[in-house]
Amino acid sequence: DARVTQTPRHKVTEMGQEVTMRCQPILGHNTVFWYRQTMMQGLELLAYFRNRAPLDDSGMPKDRFSAEMPDATLATLKIQPSEPRDSAVYFCASGFGTVYEQYFGPGTRLTVT
Amino acid sequence: AQTVTQSQPEMSVQEAETVTLSCTYDTSENNYYLFWYKQPPSRQMILVIRQEAYKQQNATENRFSVNFQKAAKSFSLKISDSQLGDTAMYFCALTDRDDKIIFGKGTRLHILP
Repeated sequence: DARVTQTPRHKVTEMGQEVTMRCQPILGHNTVFWYRQTMMQGLELLAYFRNRAPLDDSGMPKDRFSAEMPDATLATLKIQPSEPRDSAVYFCASGFGTVYEQYFGPGTRLTVT
Repeated sequence: AQTVTQSQPEMSVQEAETVTLSCTYDTSENNYYLFWYKQPPSRQMILVIRQEAYKQQNATENRFSVNFQKAAKSFSLKISDSQLGDTAMYFCALTDRDDKIIFGKGTRLHILP
């Protein structure tokens, strides 16, 4: 049963600390998306990659967020330094070819105190 | 800019009843895709149904069907014979010209026993 995995599932950290979230896309998928979900803003696209190349990261605060795909089986989203307003659920999704079919991971719930 | 609007923040229906969730959107594209995603309390995002704009026939997946009105830019979801497991947040979504998905704010659906 192929699925997207994300680690950690929960993260509580103090303001100013670095946070790294990891995503393993479904094997064979070449498109990876990072979303952030909050009550106020809903689901926002932060960044996405195709064939490991970043296509769009306009939704991401550049000064503190960074997203990478070191290889085809791993995508990372880093926040440094973290702030309380970064508290949210972060989803990774993967697909093949286009956005028309995306499979979401279970999400990482981040709490920054 | 593309937008997706879900005007019903919350709805409740009795088990076995039929319920319709509304969604309107705006896009200047001719070819696009529309989606309904379900997010149960487990937080997992699950694709319920997908509609291709160039297809006039409404998509159907078991108890889930859509009413796609392209001229009116309306894309409602009908759930027939609702079940307790249908309790979830439902998101309407649209692909945009940059090959991204834009999500609505969601409708929280409660199925009552």
